[in-house]
Amino acid sequence: EAQVTQNPRYLITVTGKKLTVTCSQNMNHEYMSWYRQDPGLGLRQIYYSMNVEVTDKGDVPEGYKVSRKEKRNFPLILESPSPNQTSLYFCASSSPFTGGPRQETQYFGPGTRLLVL
Amino acid sequence: KQEVTQIPAALSVPEGENLVLNCSFTDSAIYNLQWFRQDPGKGLTSLLLIQSSQREQTSGRLNASLDKSSGRSTLYIAASQPGDSATYLCAVRPYTGANSKLTFGKGITLSVRP
Repeated sequence: EAQVTQNPRYLITVTGKKLTVTCSQNMNHEYMSWYRQDPGLGLRQIYYSMNVEVTDKGDVPEGYKVSRKEKRNFPLILESPSPNQTSLYFCASSSPFTGGPRQETQYFGPGTRLLVL
Repeated sequence: KQEVTQIPAALSVPEGENLVLNCSFTDSAIYNLQWFRQDPGKGLTSLLLIQSSQREQTSGRLNASLDKSSGRSTLYIAASQPGDSATYLCAVRPYTGANSKLTFGKGITLSVRP
């Protein structure tokens, strides 16, 4: 079954304690991305990756790091979490943008709900 | 900067009603538009994707249309059911650039009353 998985699904932590949220996809997608969803603000992109070892900032990258050492995995790292990073996080993946007439549905993971105290 | 608007924020209808959810975007230079469904506390499920060259897509009781020149899309739900209750989000993808970032609307929370 084609899917994007995230772990953990729920996490409560304290300010300053480093954490990693894992994301994995089994569709051989080149493109992967992280979003956060907040009430009243909607979904905003944090980081994205076009392929292995190719990552770049999205709209709200401050306080986050990512890495893409393998095609299937795209972990999100919070080096020193703060309460304003309390949010619902989604990982997504899709086929690469080619500029041609291809349909490219983005697949989303189930979400990780993070609470930083 | 692309902005996506979905109005109203919430909608309540009786079961069986046909309904239309609206989405508007400010920059017509898009690659595609996607409609998603999100159940409370859950992830996003893709419902329909319309390429910029297409006018509509259909899946079961759902029909999505796209008028790129006017910056509008609609999601039509026929014969609504209580199981359709969820938040519906539209998202557009830019035509240029390597980043396949989606710009999302804030969603319409639909409640279908039995």
